[in-house]
Amino acid sequence: AQSVTQPDIHITVSEGASLELRCNYSYGATPYLFWYVQSPGQGLQLLLKYFSGDTLVQGIKGFEAEFKRSQSSFNLRKPSVHWSDAAEYFCAVGAHQAGTALIFGKGTTLSVSS
Amino acid sequence: EPEVTQTPSHQVTQMGQEVILRCVPISNHLYFYWYRQILGQKVEFLVSFYNNEISEKSEIFDDQFSVERPDGSNFTLKIRSTKLEDSAMYFCASSAGQFRSSYEQYFGPGTRLTVT
Repeated sequence: AQSVTQPDIHITVSEGASLELRCNYSYGATPYLFWYVQSPGQGLQLLLKYFSGDTLVQGIKGFEAEFKRSQSSFNLRKPSVHWSDAAEYFCAVGAHQAGTALIFGKGTTLSVSS
Repeated sequence: EPEVTQTPSHQVTQMGQEVILRCVPISNHLYFYWYRQILGQKVEFLVSFYNNEISEKSEIFDDQFSVERPDGSNFTLKIRSTKLEDSAMYFCASSAGQFRSSYEQYFGPGTRLTVT
């Protein structure tokens, strides 16, 4: 079955500390992988995507993610977290085809402490 | 920067009533989607739409649901007879086209539907 697992429901990180949010997927074909962020009252904003090629992808707001096929993982990282990064983060997987569904994980809520 | 917009931001309706949720996708995008997120649960795919036809739908998207592109800019989701379990945040999304670099989906802010 196709699925996305985000093992951490809630993470608290000190401002300035590094961050890693975990994402594991199960997908029958070569996946397209995405990270989205949702701030309170806002929609889902695309942070970054992986289609092929270099397994380390850069996104907006200083985020990066690394695709590891052997571990079926696509973890999101940021070297230094800012208070404005507090939000909910969703990992998603899709097919190599336009117009198809994204499958989302349950999300990880990030809190940033001062 | 172009963005997906949705109206209304919050809709309250009584069980059994029809509701129409509206979306304006990004103007040059060709694929349109609806997702929903029941409180505390995952974002779930409902339907995708291309060239005035449904291209994919989930098991959730039963006969109570329909989608339409009534003009060149709007994309709507209709729920014919709402149930309590339809209460959720509904997200509209759009993607540019058929090339790999344009698969990513851009989401609107959502409409919170409350069925009483």
